Amino acid sequence: SQQGEEDPQALSIQEGENATMNCSYKTSINNLQWYRQNSGRGLVHLILIRSNEREKHSGRLRVTLDTSKKSSSLLITASRAADTASYFCATNGNNRLAFGKGNQVVVIP
Amino acid sequence: DAGITQSPRYKITETGRQVTLMCHQTWSHSYMFWYRQDLGHGLRLIYYSAAADITDKGEVPDGYVVSRSKTENFPLTLESATRSQTSVYFCASGTSPQETQYFGPGTRLLVL
Repeated sequence: SQQGEEDPQALSIQEGENATMNCSYKTSINNLQWYRQNSGRGLVHLILIRSNEREKHSGRLRVTLDTSKKSSSLLITASRAADTASYFCATNGNNRLAFGKGNQVVVIP
Repeated sequence: DAGITQSPRYKITETGRQVTLMCHQTWSHSYMFWYRQDLGHGLRLIYYSAAADITDKGEVPDGYVVSRSKTENFPLTLESATRSQTSVYFCASGTSPQETQYFGPGTRLLVL
């Protein structure tokens, strides 16, 4: 299936540490997107990386994409308590977004 | 205020009743989407719309009806609610199905 799959599914870190999560997918894509969801809220778009890009930065976020391995990683540097959320990758290769099941990140103050 | 809103935010209904969830966006995005979010399943696409009067099924359309008479509104109707439709429903909009989507705050629906 097109759906991305995040790994690890749950991550607990201390404030100030870096958090890394991975996403794997199965078919070819046009782009891959990462979204954040705070508890009880809607999803918020973080970053989009296109299939011809290998790395992208946005503030404390760094996303990599390896199309040969069909995988992406999201790195959050110098984590803050406010980064506590679920993070979803979404792939798009079929004219719609397919979301993974999410990765729960808890940042301990 | 600009953005995407959903109403109601919370709804309790009974099996067999008709329920309509509303979605309104002020960006004039051509595309709008309805997802449901369930534990263990992530987000699943129910229906989407490319423009007014153009709608198409997603991954889990059974039991749902949509319409889009105006670009800014995309209501989702459960014609005869079932317990399996208990979920959190998110509406989203965007300029393209492949680009960034902007999500509403969600509607928590409980079907008794």
